[in-house]
Amino acid sequence: TQLLEQSPQFLSIQEGENLTVYCNSSSVFSSLQWYRQEPGEGPVLLVTVVTGGEVKKLKRLTFQFGDARKDSSLHITAAQPGDTGLYLCAGAGLVDDYKLSFGAGTTVTVRA
Amino acid sequence: EAQVTQNPRYLITVTGKKLTVTCSQNMNHEYMSWYRQDPGLGLRQIYYSMNVEVTDKGDVPEGYKVSRKEKRNFPLILESPSPNQTSLYFCASSLFGQGNQPQHFGDGTRLSIL
Repeated sequence: TQLLEQSPQFLSIQEGENLTVYCNSSSVFSSLQWYRQEPGEGPVLLVTVVTGGEVKKLKRLTFQFGDARKDSSLHITAAQPGDTGLYLCAGAGLVDDYKLSFGAGTTVTVRA
Repeated sequence: EAQVTQNPRYLITVTGKKLTVTCSQNMNHEYMSWYRQDPGLGLRQIYYSMNVEVTDKGDVPEGYKVSRKEKRNFPLILESPSPNQTSLYFCASSLFGQGNQPQHFGDGTRLSIL
């Protein structure tokens, strides 16, 4: 059973469209991170959110941490082909925050 | 350039033949860990190390060993590999291992056990 559930599993959209990826759990996290992974490479950190209700923006990407620190979302505005990749969320436990639990990932394909 | 280096990148081997995947980081990080990535399951932690000579089991440690004799190196050892260990493996490091610190990943090692 996955501690963090990501949805959707796959997403294919046209360039210029918007998309949202969700990361949900019944557990509370001390912090949550989003990574992007491209084929043949390791995941690369996009953002870390720490405070419940926190919103962070990274150019066209908007990340939100739920008020209860159990869920998060990633919204991409006007997606571009360069946004294509596997998006992973990872939550750190309240007590053992050195152990990250990863979601299974959302594969995003942006068609030109 | 700050990086985590894994070797080999690809390996095809047979059941029972001991193998070692090396991992080295040049960022003077205290914390290192190993993950395996399988379709539909995401990244699952195998072992982690908070510092030299300090290692502990992650979520899926069965069939694996690690050692941390030096800060920069954290090899993953499969003493008697089996087909269910066929997977994509990642080594990662972070400064102190706290959840709000970025983890730096290597480019992965794809293992096939026949």
